[in-house]
Amino acid sequence: NAGVTQTPKFQVLKTGQSMTLQCAQDMNHNSMYWYRQDPGMGLRLIYYSASEGTTDKGEVPNGYNVSRLNKREFSLRLESAAPSQTSVYFCASSRAGNYGYTFGSGTRLTVV
Amino acid sequence: AQSVTQLDSQVPVFEEAPVELRCNYSSSVSVYLFWYVQYPNQGLQLLLKYLSGSTLVKGINGFEAEFNKSQTSFHLRKPSVHISDTAEYFCAVSDQGGKLIFGQGTELSVKP
Repeated sequence: NAGVTQTPKFQVLKTGQSMTLQCAQDMNHNSMYWYRQDPGMGLRLIYYSASEGTTDKGEVPNGYNVSRLNKREFSLRLESAAPSQTSVYFCASSRAGNYGYTFGSGTRLTVV
Repeated sequence: AQSVTQLDSQVPVFEEAPVELRCNYSSSVSVYLFWYVQYPNQGLQLLLKYLSGSTLVKGINGFEAEFNKSQTSFHLRKPSVHISDTAEYFCAVSDQGGKLIFGQGTELSVKP
């Protein structure tokens, strides 16, 4: 089925460890996004990529890096995980303009 | 800067009763407005969107929303809810660049 695929679905990290969250879309969308979801705070934008080859910071970029590997893939890296990064991470993609997003099913990350 | 406020964090309602989930936004420019639904342990799914034209927007699963420019609101309504509507609902506003800014979410709990 067409859509946005995120891996892994669950992950437990120790403080200081690093990891990369993977995201791929097969809808030929130009724009891709990474959000984190925390209780009572909605979704907050971490980084986005308006088109292949570009990335920009969102509302909460500290502690994260991203790579737009090609038009399909947009990865999120935690270089040194902290307990404050315990969250559910969502990747999304969209066509140019305001058509709304298609979301992946999320990655539940726990940092202990 | 744009922002979104969902006025109720939790809304309990009995099955077959009507429901309204309230959303207010702030923006100095034209906006595009969205409602998303998140079922437990899933990603977000688009319910409906307002881009232009008629202020009453119909979405999936019998939901509708009304754009009110003078009150800067975009409330979501359903005349008769089902148990299966139990989920978290997010209102979002899009800036001119297409990035979505989400509200804090409203948990709708439908009781038999």
